[in-house]
This record gives sequence, structure tokens and C-alpha cells, in this order.
Amino acid sequence: GENVEQHPSTLSVQEGDSAVIKCTYSDSASNYFPWYKQELGKGPQLIIDIRSNVGEKKDQRIAVTLNKTAKHFSLHITETQPEDSAVYFCAATYNFNKFYFGSGTKLNVKP
Amino acid sequence: GAVVSQHPSWVICKSGTSVKIECRSLDFQATTMFWYRQFPKQSLMLMATSNEGSKATYEQGVEKDKFLINHASLTLSTLTVTSAHPEDSSFYICSAKGLAGDEQFFGPGTRLTVL
Repeated sequence: GENVEQHPSTLSVQEGDSAVIKCTYSDSASNYFPWYKQELGKGPQLIIDIRSNVGEKKDQRIAVTLNKTAKHFSLHITETQPEDSAVYFCAATYNFNKFYFGSGTKLNVKP
Repeated sequence: GAVVSQHPSWVICKSGTSVKIECRSLDFQATTMFWYRQFPKQSLMLMATSNEGSKATYEQGVEKDKFLINHASLTLSTLTVTSAHPEDSSFYICSAKGLAGDEQFFGPGTRLTVL
């Protein structure tokens, strides 16, 4: 089955700096890669996603890049704000069936 | 947007009792719902996949007789933790996949504490 690894496990940045979280996956058949933000005591919220036929996608301060050859994808948050502090999960799936999640990154944005 | 609700949001029960958690898709029909378990500071672990009108498919290591899943309609799936024990205490999250077949919409989660 698919195996998703995520790094780093914790990330502390100064407000206004950029944050980058990286994930690798093992199954070359995976074709959908979402990123979720989870705040304490709440369910995951989709923040951005990318499909395998696209190399990059951007939504305001958030961007995701995908390298299919290397089987890795990354989340980029620019101009970080304290409200970006949360746990972020990447995931990979083939045709939106089972979602395989990374281990999570706790992002702390210091004001 | 697509909204998934869970009820209750938190529950405390005594060891040996059963607890039912509901997962509802409020504004769309969900052919498939997923149940996840999340321990503190850990990732989401898929427990089972349920399709409307059929038996759930459980992941390896998940006891189907302990975690009963019912998906009786296109908008409701239930997870019943039977004979709960303290080690069943966890955050249970459901997600639903719409008829379009893409994206999973997550519920807010249910915190279960077994005393």
C-alpha cells in the first residue's frame, strides 16, 4: 500500500516568514494530494490540493508543488500569520479512495 | 460548501458500555463514508470504509465486532464502539465522499473518553 512520510514534525517560524512542509509518497499510482489544516479539537480542513497532472498550484499565500518523478510534494505558506499555527497533514490517494496521511507537522508562528 | 457533522462532539462513558457516534452529510449525498481514529499528537488512522447499503470494509487490525459501522442512508453513517474500554478513548473523525467521487469532507470529530 501507499506510505506517506512528512517532514518536519514541528516547525517554528517568525510571523511574516515562509514555512515549507514536505511529503514523500511511495505509490506512483497516487494521483491526488490534499493538504489539511487541523486545529486543536477539530477535524481536518482542506486548505489546498493538487492532482497528478499539475506541477504547482497557488491560492493566495498558500502553494503546493508536486514532483511526480521524485514522488514528493510540498506545502508553501508565505507571509505566515499567528492564525496559521496548527497541525498540517498531507495525504495521498489513488482516485479518491483510501487517503493515506502523513504524520503531521505542528506549525508555530511566533508573533 | 459540503458540510459533514458529527454527534456527539464529545462523550464520556463507563467501561463496558457501548457508544454510538453519528456522521451526517448535511448538504450532499455521500455514497462512501470513512471512519478515522486519531490519538493525541498523531496522524489519522483509517479504521473502515462504509458504502451505503453494504457492509463496511475494515482496515487490518481493526476489530469489526467491536467497531460496528452502519451506513443506512446516503447521508448517515454510524460508528458504535461496543463494550468500550479506556484504551478506546480517542478522537474519532468521519469523512464523506460525495457522488461526484472526489474530495473527502471531514467532520469535526468526536472525543470519546472511557472511564
